[in-house]
Amino acid sequence: DVKVTQSSRYLVKRTGEKVFLECVQDMDHENMFWYRQDPGLGLRLIYFSYDVKMKEKGDIPEGYSVSREKKERFSLILESASTNQTSMYLCASSRRTLQTYEQYFGPGTRLTVT
Amino acid sequence: AQKITQTQPGMFVQEKEAVTLDCTYDTSDPSYGLFWYKQPSSGEMIFLIYQGSYDQQNATEGRYSLNFQKARKSANLVISASQLGDSAMYFCAMRELTNFGNEKLTFGTGTRLTIIP
Repeated sequence: DVKVTQSSRYLVKRTGEKVFLECVQDMDHENMFWYRQDPGLGLRLIYFSYDVKMKEKGDIPEGYSVSREKKERFSLILESASTNQTSMYLCASSRRTLQTYEQYFGPGTRLTVT
Repeated sequence: AQKITQTQPGMFVQEKEAVTLDCTYDTSDPSYGLFWYKQPSSGEMIFLIYQGSYDQQNATEGRYSLNFQKARKSANLVISASQLGDSAMYFCAMRELTNFGNEKLTFGTGTRLTIIP
């Protein structure tokens, strides 16, 4: 059974803290993605990685960075958390091409920044 | 401009009826793909169905079918004989290339479907 796991389901952090969200996949997928989901806005792509150490900005990269040192692991970093980063964060992975191959999603991390 | 538009924020449908969820898209790329995902209240994203831009026939997967009208740039999801377990958020998404030639998905804002017993 294919799996994408995220380090926490719920996380509460203070403004200004450095926050790490971890994602691990066991499908040997080349691509990994980080989204945030907000009511009325759907899923918005923050960053994605198409290979180890390779990344590309998504639609809303400001305030975030990412790290992919190993193929199976993709980390999202909030350098200095702010209240407007309170959201649901979803990680996904896929094969190199999305033609007919869907993204597999993790269960999500609900982050609250106070 | 929105690349994926879902105009129905919420829908209520009687159990056993068919339901159509609307999705329109905007792209100038001749090669693209369209996906539908379901997100129940538990939060996990479940892949439902895929349609490629060059596919001649509408995609079907069990009770799900995709009504693909290329000229109108619409990719509506049809659920036949709805069940209580179909109550969820539904997202339409489009595969597209970035400026660097990598693939990504762009999602719509979603439709919350509620099935009434």
